[in-house]
Amino acid sequence: QTVVTQEPSFSVSPGGTVTLTCGLNSGPVSPSHYPIWYQKTPGQAPRTLIYDTKTRSSGVPGRFSGSILGTKAALTIAGAQAEDESDYYCALYVGSGISMFGGGTKLTVL
Amino acid sequence: QVQLVESGGGVVQPGRSLRLSCAASGFSFSDYGMHWVRQAPGKGLEWVAVTSYDATKKYYAESVKGRFTVSRDNSKNTLDLEMSSLRAEDTAVYYCAKGFNTAVATGIDSWGRGTLVTVSA
Repeated sequence: QTVVTQEPSFSVSPGGTVTLTCGLNSGPVSPSHYPIWYQKTPGQAPRTLIYDTKTRSSGVPGRFSGSILGTKAALTIAGAQAEDESDYYCALYVGSGISMFGGGTKLTVL
Repeated sequence: QVQLVESGGGVVQPGRSLRLSCAASGFSFSDYGMHWVRQAPGKGLEWVAVTSYDATKKYYAESVKGRFTVSRDNSKNTLDLEMSSLRAEDTAVYYCAKGFNTAVATGIDSWGRGTLVTVSA
């Protein structure tokens, strides 16, 4: 059974840098999995941050960036701000038309 | 400006059916793959289903395969999700979402605000 893994929680100080990761239990994540990152705040619709591994969506601040780090996809927030406190989800295309979300990372900025 | 407006949510008994709809505007609907994603209370996001731009390809999460059917009407710019044999674990906010292009693999570009489905006796 394919599982997409994320850290359950992370904490960062205001102005600090944090890297969240997105792994796959069946092997390394690659650009062919089309890694994508979403931000989800309670009561609001999700927001697409990064797609196709590292392309920033329109209107997304430059402090958000995506990459492949080793065997995982990564979302880096450089210079975190209070409004970045949210849940972050990655999703991967795992083949045969199927996409899967990770369990999400709850980011605290304090 | 992309707008996706879901409707059809509500309370339904276990085993019954419900049909969700999504009205799309602000883009060329027939050029994009379209997804359904859900979030159960207190849980994470779960991808549910996708239809290709021309409805020739449809794919489902294992958890809903055989029970849910995604469809689209490109003449009316609408996306539907027919849900049958509903279970308590299908209780969630259901989001309609637009893909980046004609492909089904590349993820979600824009999201609706969601509609709540509650499966309860």
